[in-house]
Parts: sequence; structure tokens; C-alpha cells
Amino acid sequence: GAVVSQHPSRVICKSGTSVKIECRSLDFQATTMFWYRQFPKQSLMLMATSNEGSKATYEQGVEKDKFLINHASLTLSTLTVTSAHPEDSSFYICSAFAGGNTGELFFGEGSRLTVL
Amino acid sequence: AQTVTQSQPEMSVQEAETVTLSCTYDTSESDYYLFWYKQPPSRQMILVIRQEAYKQQNATENRFSVNFQKAAKSFSLKISDSQLGDAAMYFCAYESGGSEKLVFGKGTKLTVNP
Repeated sequence: GAVVSQHPSRVICKSGTSVKIECRSLDFQATTMFWYRQFPKQSLMLMATSNEGSKATYEQGVEKDKFLINHASLTLSTLTVTSAHPEDSSFYICSAFAGGNTGELFFGEGSRLTVL
Repeated sequence: AQTVTQSQPEMSVQEAETVTLSCTYDTSESDYYLFWYKQPPSRQMILVIRQEAYKQQNATENRFSVNFQKAAKSFSLKISDSQLGDAAMYFCAYESGGSEKLVFGKGTKLTVNP
């Protein structure tokens, strides 16, 4: 089946630094990818829609300057957390729609960010 | 805006028994999809089952089946012959037709007792 891969799976950084998380669709092309955030023991909240070749669409309340999204190719979207602070610590999950007959949305393994 | 409510933060079931997880949703749309996702300790989200709103027949997938009550806006998941590997967080999710954006419930933690 379709696979979505995220890297890194875990990252620890110092407050004030920037962190980049990659999301790749390994065996299909994804014109659209989604980034979610999940706090401990809570649900997934959609942060933004990543569109290949154009600007990302952010959900209400999500700072676009804080969470930079780039979707430069049909298989790669990146989320950069700029000037990270401890409150940005969270689990970030990407997903991509494989399309076709299945119409299934596939999720990456997630990336745990810890900001010290 | 659409909302998804899972009223059971935690559930437990004995191995080989049947358990039902509840989900209700609120929408004014007629074209939508409903999903149940499983999130094991590895945190990878796995699709369990999917239901198209226009289909009256309840979706089934091996030991997993749903009870879709469109008028009541209810979408419960039944797990039959529960196995230890079924232990996970289960999220109910709503997708507005064709949007590919999911709205998730808060999840139900399922424990399977041997």
C-alpha cells in the first residue's frame, strides 16, 4: 500500500532554533499534503494544507510565520518550526491522499519535537 | 463548523469479546465521509474503516464494522473477537466531501484484557 514517511521521528532542539521536518510520499505523487499537530493524550488538529507549487493554506489560529510549509515537489513537503519555544513541543503528523480508487488518506509515522 | 464527539475516553474489553466505540458528529452537509482510525503506541495512524455518507449499508472490514445512523449523526465502531493487538487509541474522523481534511474526535483508549 501507499506509504508516507516522516523524518526525523524525534528531534530535540534548544529554544530559539529552527527545526525542519520532512514528509515524503514514497510510492505515489501527492499534490496535497496535510500537517497535523497532536498534543499528549489529545486529538489531532489540522494545522495547514500543503499545496505543491503554491502557498500553504493555514487553519485559523496557526501562525504561518512560525510554521513554514514548503511543498516543492510532488513527493515532499517540509514543515519548519521557526524560533522554536517549549510550547511548540508536540507530535507533528503529516498525511497525503493517495487518490485513485481507494481514496485513502495515509499518515506518516509522526515526528516528536521537544524544545528545551 | 463540523464537530466530532467521542464520549468514551477509555474502554476495556476482554480478549475474544465484542466492544462498541461511540462517535457522534455534527454537520449540515450531505456529502461527507466518516472514518475510524487506530493509533497504536507507535503513533502511526492506521485506517480501520471508512463510510461514505451516501451509502446506507454499514461498512465492514473483517472483525470491524460500523453502525451508521445518518439521521442521528451517529457512527459507532464494533470490534468483534477482540485481540490483544487491537489495543490502541481509536479516533473517529469526519471529512467534508472531497476536502481530504479530517476533523478528529478526541479519541477512545481501548484496552484489551487477556
